[in-house]
Amino acid sequence: AQKVTQAQTEISVVEKEDVTLDCVYETRDTTYYLFWYKQPPSGELVFLIRRNSFDEQNEISGRYSWNFQKSTSSFNFTITASQVVDSAVYFCALVASGGYNKLIFGAGTRLAVHP
Amino acid sequence: DAMVIQNPRYQVTQFGKPVTLSCSQTLNHNVMYWYQQKSSQAPKLLFHYYDKDFNNEADTPDNFQSRRPNTSFCFLDIRSPGLGDAAMYLCATSRDRGGMRDEQFFGPGTRLTVL
Repeated sequence: AQKVTQAQTEISVVEKEDVTLDCVYETRDTTYYLFWYKQPPSGELVFLIRRNSFDEQNEISGRYSWNFQKSTSSFNFTITASQVVDSAVYFCALVASGGYNKLIFGAGTRLAVHP
Repeated sequence: DAMVIQNPRYQVTQFGKPVTLSCSQTLNHNVMYWYQQKSSQAPKLLFHYYDKDFNNEADTPDNFQSRRPNTSFCFLDIRSPGLGDAAMYLCATSRDRGGMRDEQFFGPGTRLTVL
């Protein structure tokens, strides 16, 4: 069975704080892909990052960084110096290599950044 | 610049009155998806097209149908909307490269209200 757990339902921070969104996944496949999507209040899901299971290198993109650890089945997302525009629901998702490109979403974490 | 377009953005229908939502894409992707997203939940895949091949999720009600007349367009038909079908409907596309799992690009969604 494949599953994604985002234990944090809601996080509230003040602008300029750093915040980490947790994602833990379960799969028996050796080849899989992990994604993060952002859903702002407008509703559109915006792709942030894709990582395959053979690439454990952490990634940094501006204020965003991702920490992929296969040993703990985690793919955590950190926003440095948060801004009000970061307020959104963030979804972590998993796709296995077999079958088709079906995203298995976590429940999402709602991030509220206050001025 | 718009890549995945959904019309209308807001749709109001009456209980039992058929409704059609549309999605178009300029990415020339061969795979198109329809998701249903209810309030405070993750998106739920209803079905997807791989080129012209239709793939229904096992738990998608028969009330939901889809058509894909060409690569660019895909329609979601709800034959007899019930109150429980009120949701955001998201269209997404991706390209298929064998076992590679590319990211899905989402449209802005259509918010359906059933009166």
